[in-house]
Amino acid sequence: DVKVTQSSRYLVKRTGEKVFLECVQDMDHENMFWYRQDPGLGLRLIYFSYDVKMKEKGDIPEGYSVSREKKERFSLILESASTNQTSMYLCASSLGSSSGNTIYFGEGSWLTVV
Amino acid sequence: KQEVTQIPAALSVPEGENLVLNCSFTDSAIYNLQWFRQDPGKGLTSLLLIQSSQREQTSGRLNASLDKSSGRSTLYIAASQPGDSATYLCAGSNFGNEKLTFGTGTRLTIIP
Repeated sequence: DVKVTQSSRYLVKRTGEKVFLECVQDMDHENMFWYRQDPGLGLRLIYFSYDVKMKEKGDIPEGYSVSREKKERFSLILESASTNQTSMYLCASSLGSSSGNTIYFGEGSWLTVV
Repeated sequence: KQEVTQIPAALSVPEGENLVLNCSFTDSAIYNLQWFRQDPGKGLTSLLLIQSSQREQTSGRLNASLDKSSGRSTLYIAASQPGDSATYLCAGSNFGNEKLTFGTGTRLTIIP
């Protein structure tokens, strides 16, 4: 069965802390994504990776970076957390052979920055 | 840039009724459109994916259609049940672009 696992479901961090959100998929997918979801704004793409060590900025990359050292793992990094980064973060993956593949999501990580 | 809209934001329907959820998009070059379900505090679960060469897809009580010329997709739910209560989101992408653009969703409540 398809699985995207986000290691932390709930985190509380202080302003200025460095935060790592980890995501692992077990489907050998080429594409991995990080979204954030906020009320009234929907899902917005932060970063996208189409292969190991490859990344592409999404719509709202400011304040974030990513790392993909292995195919199955895609990490989102908040270099210096701020209160406006309080949100639900969703990781997803899909096959990369062509457009139009089903995308699979993790359960989400709720981040509160105080 | 593709923009996706879902109206209404919330919908309440008595159990047993058939219902339609709407999704509009601005770019007719859309290549695929997906419908997702999201339960409170959880991630998204893919329900149906329609590629531009298809007009509809069916899974159980769900049927999704895609009309590129009008910029619309609909999700039809037959014989609604309380367990169908959730937020339903649609998302589209254009050819060669793996990135999806999401609507803000319709929160569906089925009243027993």
